[in-house]
This record gives sequence, structure tokens and C-alpha cells, in this order.
Amino acid sequence: GDQVEQSPSALSLHEGTGSALRCNFTTTMRAVQWFRKNSRGSLINLFYLASGTKENGRLKSAFDSKERYSTLHIRDAQLEDSGTYFCAAATGGYKVVFGSGTRLLVSP
Amino acid sequence: AQTIHQWPVAEIKAVGSPLSLGCTIKGKSSPNLYWYWQATGGTLQQLFYSITVGQVESVVQLNLSASRPKDDQFILSTEKLLLSHSGFYLCAWSGQGASAETLYFGSGTRLTVL
Repeated sequence: GDQVEQSPSALSLHEGTGSALRCNFTTTMRAVQWFRKNSRGSLINLFYLASGTKENGRLKSAFDSKERYSTLHIRDAQLEDSGTYFCAAATGGYKVVFGSGTRLLVSP
Repeated sequence: AQTIHQWPVAEIKAVGSPLSLGCTIKGKSSPNLYWYWQATGGTLQQLFYSITVGQVESVVQLNLSASRPKDDQFILSTEKLLLSHSGFYLCAWSGQGASAETLYFGSGTRLTVL
């Protein structure tokens, strides 16, 4: 069954504001990775976490394997942040399960 | 630096025809390799993974097969395409160790089956 529930499916932000994306897991995951889809459809790494939090510029991610969730926070959103974001969780045994994606639109 | 190259960039094929998609990783010895597929509007699904030459494990059955003829090469193929095979195929690699490793993706192949 579905192991990763990603929300929201779509998000609209004004420039300069922020919000959070979330992935809930139905089982304990070993690690989580966040990606952004580029214009060609490939996936660009944003974060990899086995636990705790990581920050990079205006993005911050957290992963709590015990509580079975991960978040991606975007602050001070810019127009170029628009795109589709995915979480992916390592279930163990070389299997990685993806969320269904969040389509982010940042407007002026 | 490691690079991952997928080919072809796009394919338009007839139902029932054969298919071969390729992926090459340079600059990384003994990587774990993965094939993913996304139907239009669907979620990315893991199809296969390989942790060593000659060994491939299937994750989802889609009437496709995969092979790893060399350490740096991963091939996805089928002898008879179905309409349902249309979509976007991504190859990825990660370092050795269990699945808790960062995945790095290629640029993908867009397949249209008519």
C-alpha cells in the first residue's frame, strides 16, 4: 500500500512568504530525501536526512523517523522557487518510495 | 565528479516493438543503480535496483526487464512494449551501503508508446 503521503498537493505563495511541505510515512523509514523537479523532469537533490534537521539557504528540512514524518520549510519564497517538490523515503533493503509531489507556485 | 548519462532522451515507439534504455555512471566505482518510472500524472515508482554487476532485483512488475552488464551500466528493456509503458524513465545511482544513501538521478527518457 501507499507508504508516503505528501501534502499539500499544490501550494501558492506570494514572494517573501513561507510555508511547509510535509510527508507522513505509514511505517518507519531509514532516511528521507527531498528533491525538486527541474524543467526537463529530472530530480535535483535538496536534502538527505537520516535524522534531525538540515538547512540550506531559505530551505530547511526535518526528519523524525519515530514520529514518521518529514518536513520541508521554505522561507522568503522567490519566483524561482516555483516547481514541483518530492520527498522520497528509504524503507530498507534498497527500496525508496516517493511521495506524489507538491506543486509550488510563487507569485509576485 | 560523478556523472550519470541516460539515453535516449526521448523515444516514440509502436505497441509490440522492443525497447532498450540505457544509463551510464562515470566517476563512481561499484554504485548501487536504480530504475524509476513515472506515468503521466502518476507517482514515481521504483522498478529495479542493482548492487553489483550481473545482479538485478525487481521491485515492481511491469513486463520490463533490467540488466547490469558492466559496473557502470544499467539497461532497461522489453521485447514487446505496451501502451501502459508510456511515461518518464529515470535512472539513479547511490553509494555503497544500505538504501539509506543519497540518490542521484539522470536526466531521464520520455517514452511514448503509440
